Amino acid sequence: AQRVTQPEKLLSVFKGAPVELKCNYSYSGSPELFWYVQYSRQRLQLLLRHISRESIKGFTADLNKGETSFHLKKPFAQEEDSAMYYCALNLSDTGNQFYFGTGTSLTVIP
Amino acid sequence: DAGVIQSPRHEVTEMGQEVTLRCKPISGHNSLFWYRQTMMRGLELLIYFNNNVPIDDSGMPEDRFSAKMPNASFSTLKIQPSEPRDSAVYFCASTSGEGLAEYNEQFFGPGTRLTVL
Repeated sequence: AQRVTQPEKLLSVFKGAPVELKCNYSYSGSPELFWYVQYSRQRLQLLLRHISRESIKGFTADLNKGETSFHLKKPFAQEEDSAMYYCALNLSDTGNQFYFGTGTSLTVIP
Repeated sequence: DAGVIQSPRHEVTEMGQEVTLRCKPISGHNSLFWYRQTMMRGLELLIYFNNNVPIDDSGMPEDRFSAKMPNASFSTLKIQPSEPRDSAVYFCASTSGEGLAEYNEQFFGPGTRLTVL
């Protein structure tokens, strides 16, 4: 069974519009969730982690245990946000075992 | 530190040939992961090692795939024999595994783009 689900493979928004990339997970323990981003021709890199409750490049993500979701949001999309975004779950109870979603390709239209 | 190093960056081979992908994790990191990235399936975990020991290889597609980590600074992923459906980008990542797990960031290599003709 897929541990992490990203329902949208492709997402296009206009510059300045709000953007939300959806992520749902399946895990009964205490989840540790991350968003990773891969810009064109660059390495996959960490964007943010839920434990830090941080805002990176204007993006935030809130863990909703009731809905088992960790959606990534940004109020005003920028062209430089165009990238591939992966939601990831770490099963801390079993050590370092990461599960990634299938990714969402975000395109911000100028 | 140069980060996670993978070689080769690109590999083109013919069906049936043996392919070996290499990875050097960040010095001091004790967990290493191999992933495969395709358009259809996204990023799939193939296998991961903790302190050079394979912990979970349930993601390895079949017996044609094997991975080793002979020491803390080197790992290989081998495909023998290779098939066209193995064409993908293969990533290696490492993490320190120290401290609180929820702070453990995975550091990815640049990937190896494999094409099997």
